[in-house]
Amino acid sequence: KAGVTQTPRYLIKTRGQQVTLSCSPISGHRSVSWYQQTPGQGLQFLFEYFSETQRNKGNFPGRFSGRQFSNSRSEMNVSTLELGDSALYLCASSLIENTEAFFGQGTRLTVV
Amino acid sequence: KQEVTQIPAALSVPEGENLVLNCSFTDSAIYNLQWFRQDPGKGLTSLLLIQSSQREQTSGRLNASLDKSSGRSTLYIAASQPGDSATYLCAPMYTDKLIFGTGTRLQVFP
Repeated sequence: KAGVTQTPRYLIKTRGQQVTLSCSPISGHRSVSWYQQTPGQGLQFLFEYFSETQRNKGNFPGRFSGRQFSNSRSEMNVSTLELGDSALYLCASSLIENTEAFFGQGTRLTVV
Repeated sequence: KQEVTQIPAALSVPEGENLVLNCSFTDSAIYNLQWFRQDPGKGLTSLLLIQSSQREQTSGRLNASLDKSSGRSTLYIAASQPGDSATYLCAPMYTDKLIFGTGTRLQVFP
C-alpha cells in the first residue's frame, strides 16, 4: 500500500514568488493535514482538510492557503514568499479525523 | 495554550542500554498521542499510537505509557541499537491537529 506522497521533494524560489505544494494521501484516507518544520520553531500545524473542507487552521498569515480535492489529494499555496518561509513542509493523512497520522517525506522549500 | 515539552533534549548512550524519553503536555483534552521518529532531513515515521482511554501500548522493543490526567507520556526503548539513532517526537492529538514537542535527539553508539 503506497504511503503519503509529496511533490516536489525540493524547491528553490525567489522572494515575492508564490509556490504550490502537492500531497497525495494514503488510499482511502480522507483527512489531510499540513505542517511546517523549521529549526527555530519546530513542527507547527498549518491546516487540516476533511472531505474538501478546511476544519482547522493554525496561526499562520493569510499568505498560506490550501485546498483538498474530491479524491482527497491536497495542495497548499504560499504567496509572496519571504525568506522565513524556508522550511520542510510535511503532509499527513489519516483515515478520518483525529486518528493515527501518517506523514510523507516532505517538501524542502528554500527561499532566496 | 497547548504546549508540549520533551526531556531530555538530547541523549547519547552506548548500545544495549534501556532508555526513557519523557513528554509532558499542558492541555489534557487529547484524543490520542503519537510517538514519531525522524531521521535527518526526512519525514516522520509513526512508532506508536495511544488512545486517550489507554494506559500503555507496545511495539517490539518500544513501550509507551500515557497518564492523560497528569499530562504525561513516556517512551521506553529496550536494548537500544545504533539504528535507533534519530530524533523522537511526541505529539498529542487535539481537535484535528497534532501539537509537537521539540523532540529528543538520540544517539546510540556501538
